[in-house]
Amino acid sequence: AQSVSQHNHHVILSEAASLELGCNYSYGGTVNLFWYVQYPGQHLQLLLKYFSGDPLVKGIKGFEAEFIKSKFSFNLRKPSVQWSDTAEYFCAVYNTNAGKSTFGDGTTLTVKP
Amino acid sequence: GAVVSQHPSRVICKSGTSVKIECRSLDFQATTMFWYRQFPKQSLMLMATSNEGSKATYEQGVEKDKFLINHASLTLSTLTVTSAHPEDSSFYICSAREGRPQSEQYFGPGTRLTVT
Repeated sequence: AQSVSQHNHHVILSEAASLELGCNYSYGGTVNLFWYVQYPGQHLQLLLKYFSGDPLVKGIKGFEAEFIKSKFSFNLRKPSVQWSDTAEYFCAVYNTNAGKSTFGDGTTLTVKP
Repeated sequence: GAVVSQHPSRVICKSGTSVKIECRSLDFQATTMFWYRQFPKQSLMLMATSNEGSKATYEQGVEKDKFLINHASLTLSTLTVTSAHPEDSSFYICSAREGRPQSEQYFGPGTRLTVT
């Protein structure tokens, strides 16, 4: 069965620090990759997505992610976090064969002002 | 961007009653809709996938007779929690996807169900 692993459960950073959240998946077939953010009290929003092409994708709010096929990874990065980035971050892998997504357990990011 | 709405946003019901949650895609045709359940501080757990006009495909461990899903049109799917119990209390989120390749999933705002 397909699985998605997010290595960091809770990350605490100071403003202006750099961020990298890990995401690895287990499925070897064709996948679409996503990072979603859930701000406190709000619903899921798409940060960025990868379907094909350039493995380095840029999303909203200065976030980017790199797809490394050989490592089955899709890590999320941001060079300088802000207090407003405090939220829950979810990595998701859409299995094109099965027609459904699997979500990681999420990473809680707390940015201290 | 595409919008998915859910109604109601919050519902409180008594044990043994049934509750219906609606999910609508407002500005696109949702060939596929997904229903998730999210527990506090946890990830989204896929309950079922439904394609318009077809029976829903339930994930292992999800009771299809308890969680009735109907995807009658390309813009509406409903989840009915039948004979609700307190352990069904949770946050239910729907998601919709167009049928074209490289389409993303759009998420609704969720419905908070509390069974007393």
